[in-house]
Amino acid sequence: SQQGEEDPQALSIQEGENATMNCSYKTSINNLQWYRQNSGRGLVHLILIRSNEREKHSGRLRVTLDTSKKSSSLLITASRAADTASYFCATDRGSTLGRLYFGRGTQLTVWP
Amino acid sequence: DARVTQTPRHKVTEMGQEVTMRCQPILGHNTVFWYRQTMMQGLELLAYFRNRAPLDDSGMPKDRFSAEMPDATLATLKIQPSEPRDSAVYFCASGLRRGQGFTDTQYFGPGTRLTVL
Repeated sequence: SQQGEEDPQALSIQEGENATMNCSYKTSINNLQWYRQNSGRGLVHLILIRSNEREKHSGRLRVTLDTSKKSSSLLITASRAADTASYFCATDRGSTLGRLYFGRGTQLTVWP
Repeated sequence: DARVTQTPRHKVTEMGQEVTMRCQPILGHNTVFWYRQTMMQGLELLAYFRNRAPLDDSGMPKDRFSAEMPDATLATLKIQPSEPRDSAVYFCASGLRRGQGFTDTQYFGPGTRLTVL
């Protein structure tokens, strides 16, 4: 079963707007990761946030984590057409074995 | 530029045929994952290895699927016999496990798109 549940399933915005995607999960975690998948490609790691962190930035990406609500959000600022992709969150469910549990993803479309 | 490679990129075969997919993990990575992605089920973990030993293959149909790591530079996923429901994109990913307390980032290959007629 999927661990992360991304919301919304699909998001359509104009270039320059911000895109916010959310992820909810059900168990304790050590960390949460976000990945991007362009059409026809493999997933690419974007950012990792540990359970003792609340916010992390990487370029135009901002990730927040609220362990009390078991949720995370990914914000892409000033979006570009090239950001069009599916975005997945993944958690380890508290395991230290290295396995990740992926959600079903949010399909982001950024229109020029 | 280190990356995971997978072959073949596309495979069309007929039901009942054997399919072998290959993956070359990033040099130095000690963990290899096999995933299957479909519209219906999303991304499913089939099996994964650490230091070439299988850690978990519970996501894999045992009667027809097998996964091996003949050496540190090659992982294989075989389906015999293949069925139409096996049609999917199969991804290999690798990572470096440095010990307890470290979190693995996974590096995905481009995938093998399998169509079973």
